[in-house]
Amino acid sequence: AQRVTQPEKLLSVFKGAPVELKCNYSYSGSPELFWYVQYSRQRLQLLLRHISRESIKGFTADLNKGETSFHLKKPFAQEEDSAMYYCALSGGSQGNLIFGKGTKLSVKP
Amino acid sequence: KAGVTQTPRYLIKTRGQQVTLSCSPISGHRSVSWYQQTPGQGLQFLFEYFSETQRNKGNFPGRFSGRQFSNSRSEMNVSTLELGDSALYLCASSLVQGISTGELFFGEGSRLTVL
Repeated sequence: AQRVTQPEKLLSVFKGAPVELKCNYSYSGSPELFWYVQYSRQRLQLLLRHISRESIKGFTADLNKGETSFHLKKPFAQEEDSAMYYCALSGGSQGNLIFGKGTKLSVKP
Repeated sequence: KAGVTQTPRYLIKTRGQQVTLSCSPISGHRSVSWYQQTPGQGLQFLFEYFSETQRNKGNFPGRFSGRQFSNSRSEMNVSTLELGDSALYLCASSLVQGISTGELFFGEGSRLTVL
């Protein structure tokens, strides 16, 4: 079965510290993976997708098929990074996005 | 460009009633997806519509239904409401069918409380 697991419900770091939000997936085919973010009082929005291999707001994510992971990383966290982050997988049997349960990132000053 | 608009934003219903939620996608977007968001289950896929046809459906009972109109606006209906239907219902639109070809643009959601 297709599944996305985000093991941490809450991640708290200090400003300037590195941050890594973990995401593991279960999928037998070739997945497409995404990170979505929801800032306080804002809509859920796409942060980045693995096929673009881009860095957005200093965040990067590498797809590791061997470890079935797609961890989100940023070398120096900023207070404005505080938000809810969702990892998502495309490739479900219905062709829809399958979301993890999310990790709340809190960056302290 | 206006974003995805969902109405109503908040509503309270009692068990056994039915509810209809509306979603207007971004202009030009032809695909509309619906998700249920709850604290315990997170975001769960309900269904996707493209060109007025349901293309994909999640694992929800038949009480949950939807439709899409020729202008791409979509509605979802929940009949015989149960307490467990209390959730934030999110609508998302995309330019084409299926997430793998594009990103989803989400609305602010309709928060349903069932008493």
